[in-house]
Amino acid sequence: EDKVVQSPLSLVVHEGDTVTLNCSYEVTNFRSLLWYKQEKKAPTFLFMLTSSGIEKKSGRLSSILDKKELFSILNITATQTGDSAIYLCAVEWRGAQKLVFGQGTRLTINP
Amino acid sequence: EAGVAQSPRYKIIEKRQSVAFWCNPISGHATLYWYQQILGQGPKLLIQFQNNGVVDDSQLPKDRFSAERLKGVDSTLKIQPAKLEDSAVYLCASSPGGLAIGYEQYFGPGTRLTVT
Repeated sequence: EDKVVQSPLSLVVHEGDTVTLNCSYEVTNFRSLLWYKQEKKAPTFLFMLTSSGIEKKSGRLSSILDKKELFSILNITATQTGDSAIYLCAVEWRGAQKLVFGQGTRLTINP
Repeated sequence: EAGVAQSPRYKIIEKRQSVAFWCNPISGHATLYWYQQILGQGPKLLIQFQNNGVVDDSQLPKDRFSAERLKGVDSTLKIQPAKLEDSAVYLCASSPGGLAIGYEQYFGPGTRLTVT
């Protein structure tokens, strides 16, 4: 059964800390891995990763994929209270245009 | 570019009642998805449309849930009769479709359903 597992499920840190969120997967016919940020209701797209070892970066956020070990990490440096959200990892099946989501990591940044 | 629109934003019903949700995808997007997101969980795909045809409805509880996408644009998702465990946020998403490697799904604001 295809599955995506995120850890930790919940994380509370202080503003300015660096955090690492983890996503592991078991998906047949892997095509890509996507990270989303969910603040209110609608998840908003952060990154899409298709190749191992190539870091994607956007400001203080970065992500990398390891297709051999079947995991990805999302790093956030110098965290701010606005980074508080649920971070979702999703994996796309090749040929299906279909995403399987993990359960999410709830990140809370305290001032 | 207008985003994915959904209505209503909130709905409270009693168990055994029926409810319908509406979604208007981004103009030109061929693929439309309905997800159910129960509190504390990630979104679970209920049904996927490509234009007006169903691509995947393997996780749709067909005894009570139904969905349609007439004319390949707007879509409605219906629950009849509702159960307590249907309380969740129902997310609609759309994507351009096609066979390009990797893609983004654009999500609507969701409808929060509470069944009492």
